[in-house]
Amino acid sequence: DGGITQSPKYLFRKEGQNVTLSCEQNLNHDAMYWYRQDPGQGLRLIYYSQIVNDFQKGDIAEGYSVSREKKESFPLTVTSAQKNPTAFYLCASSMVVTGELFFGEGSRLTVL
Amino acid sequence: DAKTTQPTSMDCAEGRAANLPCNHSTISGNEYVYWYRQIHSQGPQYIIHGLKNNETNEMASLIITEDRKSSTLILPHATLRDTAVYYCIVRVRMQTSYDKVIFGPGTSLSVIP
Repeated sequence: DGGITQSPKYLFRKEGQNVTLSCEQNLNHDAMYWYRQDPGQGLRLIYYSQIVNDFQKGDIAEGYSVSREKKESFPLTVTSAQKNPTAFYLCASSMVVTGELFFGEGSRLTVL
Repeated sequence: DAKTTQPTSMDCAEGRAANLPCNHSTISGNEYVYWYRQIHSQGPQYIIHGLKNNETNEMASLIITEDRKSSTLILPHATLRDTAVYYCIVRVRMQTSYDKVIFGPGTSLSVIP
């Protein structure tokens, strides 16, 4: 079945370590997005990409990096520069024309 | 910043209609209204979208005012499984659009038995 797969679902890391979260989609969608969600809060946009090899910063890009080498994949790296990385991370994709976002199940990162 | 405002929380009795309002007073002519919902600790799920006409699908109905400055999502017969956070967003729906898609805090709907 088509969909978006995020991995890992749960991740624990020590402070100061870089962490990469995977996001893969087989929906043939052009656009992909990364959001961060803190407890009881809405979604905040980290990065988004409309096409391969191009991406734009969202509202809270500091301390994060992404790549878009393939249409299907949009990995997010949480670097040691991110001051408070513990959060729920959500990846989404959409066809540019239709606009509906399809979300993965999320990755919960805890930094100890 | 999000372009929409929604009440923080609402309650609804099971079996009754849940009416969730959303204000988008600065909406542009080419922006659509989208609704999503998020059940605890899961990824948000698309519900419905519309431009200016009322829309209905198997999940819900969307009523957009004539001036397009507000809308209401209607869940006709709320069940306990509809307890979730509901997000209203506006976005351009163009092939060449490079938009951010901003989510506000949404409305936390509690369906009461």
